[in-house]
Amino acid sequence: DAKTTQPNSMESNEEEPVHLPCNHSTISGTDYIHWYRQLPSQGPEYVIHGLTSNVNNRMASLAIAEDRKSSTLILHRATLRDAAVYYCILRIQGAQKLVFGQGTRLTINP
Amino acid sequence: DAGVIQSPRHEVTEMGQEVTLRCKPISGHDYLFWYRQTMMRGLELLIYFNNNVPIDDSGMPEDRFSAKMPNASFSTLKIQPSEPRDSAVYFCASSYRARAFFGQGTRLTVV
Repeated sequence: DAKTTQPNSMESNEEEPVHLPCNHSTISGTDYIHWYRQLPSQGPEYVIHGLTSNVNNRMASLAIAEDRKSSTLILHRATLRDAAVYYCILRIQGAQKLVFGQGTRLTINP
Repeated sequence: DAGVIQSPRHEVTEMGQEVTLRCKPISGHDYLFWYRQTMMRGLELLIYFNNNVPIDDSGMPEDRFSAKMPNASFSTLKIQPSEPRDSAVYFCASSYRARAFFGQGTRLTVV
């Protein structure tokens, strides 16, 4: 499985945008980029995913570099409830399994 | 839909005892996953099923662990005999079209 690299932790302030980076230099052309997050004492939850183009949904935006070797999850206006561990995962097209790394622990300051 | 339902939420058992964790996936989902989470090892994929058939059990740590999915609405993960190092949070997830939904987890403590 292709690997992803994320910072161990990040900190931001409430109501400010947050940019969470992910490097995946060994990504193949058929790998999808998925983001999940895990709130304290809960199971992971889906955030967003994409293949080549940038994606937006009600939770976040996903910006994918042109060479696909990196991506950024964007929370447009962070709230205290966004404090979580964020996981960037590569999923092989046609496969379903998700292999989680260590993720980025995001702290939001009031 | 109530989401993925796991039971029990907490389990404390003595070393050597058999432990059975249960999962009810979301109706209509065709994949089911079992994960284990510890501070040291993070989230590990143990096994997953497609349409009730085990596809990949390479993450199952040893023969003491077994998982079954007798029908589309029920799965079990069994540990026999349990050991203190099995203490962890066990998550079940189901997915459809590559979006996975996780349950609340079962916190297992083996003393």
